[in-house]
Amino acid sequence: GAGVSQSPRYKVAKRGQDVALRCDPISGHVSLFWYQQALGQGPEFLTYFQNEAQLDKSGLPSDRFFAERPEGSVSTLKIQRTQQEDSAVYLCASSLGAGTGIDEQFFGPGTRLTVL
Amino acid sequence: QKEVEQNSGPLSVPEGAIASLNCTYSDRGSQSFFWYRQYSGKSPELIMSIYSNGDKEDGRFTAQLNKASQYVSLLIRDSQPSDSATYLCAVNVWGGADGLTFGKGTHLIIQP
Repeated sequence: GAGVSQSPRYKVAKRGQDVALRCDPISGHVSLFWYQQALGQGPEFLTYFQNEAQLDKSGLPSDRFFAERPEGSVSTLKIQRTQQEDSAVYLCASSLGAGTGIDEQFFGPGTRLTVL
Repeated sequence: QKEVEQNSGPLSVPEGAIASLNCTYSDRGSQSFFWYRQYSGKSPELIMSIYSNGDKEDGRFTAQLNKASQYVSLLIRDSQPSDSATYLCAVNVWGGADGLTFGKGTHLIIQP
């Protein structure tokens, strides 16, 4: 596709439910990133993949958060036993290179998660 | 702890004037710097990237970097109402975890 796509765009979950958020990066992009953005704040880094390898998951807020990218393309961010504080916009970004730090990251439209 | 600081604003600028947005960062190891524009309810859109000290110009936008002062800025010339948005400064440490560290953003309002 022409850009990063994410689904669903909106998700409402009851507290305690599990959710799965999908990201489809720009074709050919090696690096994939997940961010969490709370209202009025800048995005906060969650985790980073280079191809299928998860190289950094230091930003995941708890062990309820899990991400995978099994074939080095599409990625899924899973949140187990959702809590109200998980309500945020979850952004996915991809970049062309192997994470040298010089690569520009392009963001998808985000998934707005609301936990009731 | 990596930190990126921005004045949250709002910054109000008359149409046609120059808007100046500033950002400071705490990690001297930061090597790459980015400005994103974010409209309300939308995702961040990359405007500029800068890696070396000095100025980088792209159309009406100029990014300025001073690593000694740990300072990066964005100038928008001939500001238009469509430039009204939140501008996010982001930095990355070369060779480290490649997740970007973002500031909270500056809310820019261009007054017609």
